[in-house]
Amino acid sequence: EAQVTQNPRYLITVTGKKLTVTCSQNMNHEYMSWYRQDPGLGLRQIYYSMNVEVTDKGDVPEGYKVSRKEKRNFPLILESPSPNQTSLYFCASSLRGPIPYEQYFGPGTRLTVT
Amino acid sequence: GQNIDQPTEMTATEGAIVQINCTYQTSGFNGLFWYQQHAGEAPTFLSYNVLDGLEEKGRFSSFLSRSKGYSYLLLKELQMKDSASYLCAVSSTGGSYIPTFGRGTSLIVHP
Repeated sequence: EAQVTQNPRYLITVTGKKLTVTCSQNMNHEYMSWYRQDPGLGLRQIYYSMNVEVTDKGDVPEGYKVSRKEKRNFPLILESPSPNQTSLYFCASSLRGPIPYEQYFGPGTRLTVT
Repeated sequence: GQNIDQPTEMTATEGAIVQINCTYQTSGFNGLFWYQQHAGEAPTFLSYNVLDGLEEKGRFSSFLSRSKGYSYLLLKELQMKDSASYLCAVSSTGGSYIPTFGRGTSLIVHP
């Protein structure tokens, strides 16, 4: 089954404790992205990757890191989480081509930082 | 950058028709997407428009006017399960092609 998976689905942590949210897709997609979704603000892009070892900042990259060592995986790293990073996070992937393709989203990770 | 505007909330009656508008400003327009997102779930793809006109897909249709920077999503024969957020997303040729999302329109369908 074609899918994007994220782990964990729910996470409660404390300020300053490093964490990683994993994202994996089995569709051989080149593009992968991380979004956060907050009430009234919609989906905002954190980082994106156009292929292995190619990553770039989105609209709200502060406080986050990513890596793309393999095509299928795109982990999101919070080195020192703060309460303002409490949010619902989505990973997404899509094909790369001369036209934009639809994105496939993971189920989401609800993060609470206390 | 891009500026995408859609209404925050709409209500409609089961069986009716509803039109959700999206206006955008961008340089290098490269396509517009509509996604549906039920509460607490991931967005799912509904439609993609890159040329002017209407694209019909069952009960859902999407329209685009590039000269006006305007799109709408038309939902016919509304069902209770259509209660969801509808996200407009615009792709531009500058950068990655990965679309930027509007804030979404929450649609409430009541009996």
